[in-house]
Amino acid sequence: AQSVTQLDSHVSVSEGTPVLLRCNYSSSYSPSLFWYVQHPNKGLQLLLKYTSAATLVKGINGFEAEFKKSETSFHLTKPSAHMSDAAEYFCVVSVGGNQGGKLIFGQGTELSVKP
Amino acid sequence: DTGVSQDPRHKITKRGQNVTFRCDPISEHNRLYWYRQTLGQGPEFLTYFQNEAQLEKSRLLSDRFSAERPKGSFSTLEIQRTEQGDSAMYLCASSLVGSGVLNTEAFFGQGTRLTVV
Repeated sequence: AQSVTQLDSHVSVSEGTPVLLRCNYSSSYSPSLFWYVQHPNKGLQLLLKYTSAATLVKGINGFEAEFKKSETSFHLTKPSAHMSDAAEYFCVVSVGGNQGGKLIFGQGTELSVKP
Repeated sequence: DTGVSQDPRHKITKRGQNVTFRCDPISEHNRLYWYRQTLGQGPEFLTYFQNEAQLEKSRLLSDRFSAERPKGSFSTLEIQRTEQGDSAMYLCASSLVGSGVLNTEAFFGQGTRLTVV
């Protein structure tokens, strides 16, 4: 069955340092993968998506993710963290082929950014 | 604002009462999803529709839960005989899928927070 595993439930970084949020996926075929962000009391917002085009995907707010089939990973990175990046981040896999099926969410990674 | 709209935003109900939530998707979107999110967890899939057809229901949905999308536009999620364990945020999302439209992202509403007392 298709699924995603977020390897860290909580990540803490200092402002200005790099961010790495790890995600591994399990899929029987080429998956569609997404990262969503959820700020407190706000709705889920798409950061970026992978849909079998370029393996390095650039998203909003300076985030990017690299699809690595050999490692079944889709880690989210950002070169320099801002205080406003503090939020919950979800790695998501689409189940059901390239027409889009249901979205399966990881458990989430809470990102804290220290001044 | 032409995003996904959910109503109400908050609902407090007594155990045993029925509640109904509404979701208005982005107007041209043909797919609509319902998710449930509890504190500290990722959203859990409940059900989804393609136009008015309900494609799948999660095993999380007991017989007390029902969802409809009668005209392929707005959707309702009803919970009968609510229990304290039903307390959660209920999220709705919509997307556009079809030939020539690959893997468009789902847009989420702000959610309906249900508290069962």
